Amino acid sequence: EAQVTQNPRYLITVTGKKLTVTCSQNMNHEYMSWYRQDPGLGLRQIYYSMNVEVTDKGDVPEGYKVSRKEKRNFPLILESPSPNQTSLYFCASSDRGPADTQYFGPGTRLTVL
Amino acid sequence: AQSVTQPDIHITVSEGASLELRCNYSYGATPYLFWYVQSPGQGLQLLLKYFSGDTLVQGIKGFEAEFKRSQSSFNLRKPSVHWSDAAEYFCAVAGNTPLVFGKGTRLSVIA
Repeated sequence: EAQVTQNPRYLITVTGKKLTVTCSQNMNHEYMSWYRQDPGLGLRQIYYSMNVEVTDKGDVPEGYKVSRKEKRNFPLILESPSPNQTSLYFCASSDRGPADTQYFGPGTRLTVL
Repeated sequence: AQSVTQPDIHITVSEGASLELRCNYSYGATPYLFWYVQSPGQGLQLLLKYFSGDTLVQGIKGFEAEFKRSQSSFNLRKPSVHWSDAAEYFCAVAGNTPLVFGKGTRLSVIA
C-alpha cells in the first residue's frame, strides 16, 4: 500500500530534550516536506526537500532541522524543543514537487512542557 | 509571494443542502490550485486540483471546483452534502515557490 508513515504519532516531552520525528514514504517520491498545523493558522511549511541531499527552508524553519540522506526518509529534528513548538506535524511527499499532488502522513501530535 | 484566503472559518449546512466553500488566491502567473480535506484525526487527502484547461474540475466524493481567473478564485462546491463530509477543507496554491495553504474552513453538517 502506497503510504507516508510518521513516528511517533503522539509525543509528550519537556523543554530542551532533543527529539526526532521520523517520516518515510514508499512511493519513490522525489519531493518531501514538513508542515505544522496550529488552530487558526492552517498548515505552514517548515522544510522541504526536492531530492536526496537537497533541503531548503519553508515559512517557519526556526528551531527545526531536517536531513535527506535517503530518498524514502525525511526526519524532522528538534534539537531543543520549546513550548511554542507544541503542534500537530505532518509529513508529505509528492512525485515531482510542490505543484504535484501531495500525499500526507497521519500526523504527529507533539506537546512540549 | 503567493497567498490563499479562505474567508469562512466555519460553515454549517444541513444534510442534503448544497455547499460552496470560498477560496481566493494571490499569484502572479497561472497557479496550480488544490483542495484538500482533513477528516477528524486524519491527515490531508486531495479532493481535486487545477493545472490548466477546463476551468471546472471534478474531484472525488462528488466535489467540484471552478477556477475563475478574473476573480482569483477557486471555490469548492457540492450539490448535496452528506454527514460524512463534515471535515476541515483547505485550499492551496503552488507555482514556482512551495505550496501555500489557506487557513481552512471547518464544515459542520446537521441533520
